[in-house]
Amino acid sequence: EAGVAQSPRYKIIEKRQSVAFWCNPISGHATLYWYQQILGQGPKLLIQFQNNGVVDDSQLPKDRFSAERLKGVDSTLKIQPAKLEDSAVYLCASSFNQQPNTEAFFGQGTRLTVV
Amino acid sequence: GDSVTQMEGPVTLSEEAFLTINCTYTATGYPSLFWYVQYPGEGLQLLLKATKADDKGSNKGFEATYRKETTSFHLEKGSVQVSDSAVYFCALITDSWGKLQFGAGTQVVVTP
Repeated sequence: EAGVAQSPRYKIIEKRQSVAFWCNPISGHATLYWYQQILGQGPKLLIQFQNNGVVDDSQLPKDRFSAERLKGVDSTLKIQPAKLEDSAVYLCASSFNQQPNTEAFFGQGTRLTVV
Repeated sequence: GDSVTQMEGPVTLSEEAFLTINCTYTATGYPSLFWYVQYPGEGLQLLLKATKADDKGSNKGFEATYRKETTSFHLEKGSVQVSDSAVYFCALITDSWGKLQFGAGTQVVVTP
């Protein structure tokens, strides 16, 4: 079974530039999550999709971050404009459904450095 | 709000030593509890889970028991190997949408 695919693996940009990350979840998984993991901290949920609808985006800084999940499959997360404090690893995860007992599978993440 | 607190690392051990990583939580209701592991260069993987009080999760020689009275979910392994070197995250889910809330992670380094 193919895992969660993310690209790019690494990205370095200057502050005020824009950047986009892509995620391809495991086939058939209805639930998709984007997490932000700042160095030395645990992952923090940014946004959760159920199919192509947003379930929770309460922690997403909506003035600069946006995300979409077209056709309930792939997803993109965009930052515009980036700030220094956005330097982090951005993790995508998917699960078959949103039930708490359902395992979430994580991608390898995209490491973003804002200089 | 809900939160997870786990012991700070790094934890450095010799091979075959006993490992304990403490994890306590604060939550309303009855959360499901998880341990995730992140090996170098890899994504987070579910190590084990427990969904109700007194449940014991186990996998790859690791164990953790859901203790409601002490709001704890400590991870243990009786004899670690070099290949167990990784960052371990304790996490919980309290809502019906499967939102994971993570602790800060504990790095474990096992030396030969």
